[in-house]
Amino acid sequence: KQEVTQIPAALSVPEGENLVLNCSFTDSAIYNLQWFRQDPGKGLTSLLLIQSSQREQTSGRLNASLDKSSGRSTLYIAASQPGDSATYLCAVRLTGTYKYIFGTGTRLKVLA
Amino acid sequence: DVKVTQSSRYLVKRTGEKVFLECVQDMDHENMFWYRQDPGLGLRLIYFSYDVKMKEKGDIPEGYSVSREKKERFSLILESASTNQTSMYLCASGTGGFGYTFGSGTRLTVV
Repeated sequence: KQEVTQIPAALSVPEGENLVLNCSFTDSAIYNLQWFRQDPGKGLTSLLLIQSSQREQTSGRLNASLDKSSGRSTLYIAASQPGDSATYLCAVRLTGTYKYIFGTGTRLKVLA
Repeated sequence: DVKVTQSSRYLVKRTGEKVFLECVQDMDHENMFWYRQDPGLGLRLIYFSYDVKMKEKGDIPEGYSVSREKKERFSLILESASTNQTSMYLCASGTGGFGYTFGSGTRLTVV
């Protein structure tokens, strides 16, 4: 059974720091992996989608990498800002399925 | 941009009531999903649908049913609401190898 783990569960950093959020999964037969952001009380906003054949994806200050063989993805946030404060979730879709399995998230606080 | 619209942001219902949560997407996606999100438990899949009138149980279907009569609309039904169904409900849609798009969520409180 696929399990998705995110470490750390919470993170507090001063503004301007570069950050790495980690996502681990147990089954490497994945179709793709998606990173989301969730603000308190709101829905999920898609940040980046990495297909299984890709190693990384970039959008602005965000870069996500994927290493299927080690069962890991990282989300890199450059020059963090207070507006980046949110919970970040990764979700893995296994090959041959429609559904995603979610990690429990990393709650990020960027201090001004 | 794909839009997934959930009909209510906040809902308060009484125990035993039949509750309908509606979700509409505007991008002709085949796949639609209902999740619930609870502190410490993360997102858990209730039901999903990969075509009109087609549905499959997710991980926690007990106490819920769904309806998909039209491609753009996926409804979650709580047959007899109970207090342990108080939660944030999230609808999502997607197609092919592309990822999910989520709605803004419905915070349901059952009293």
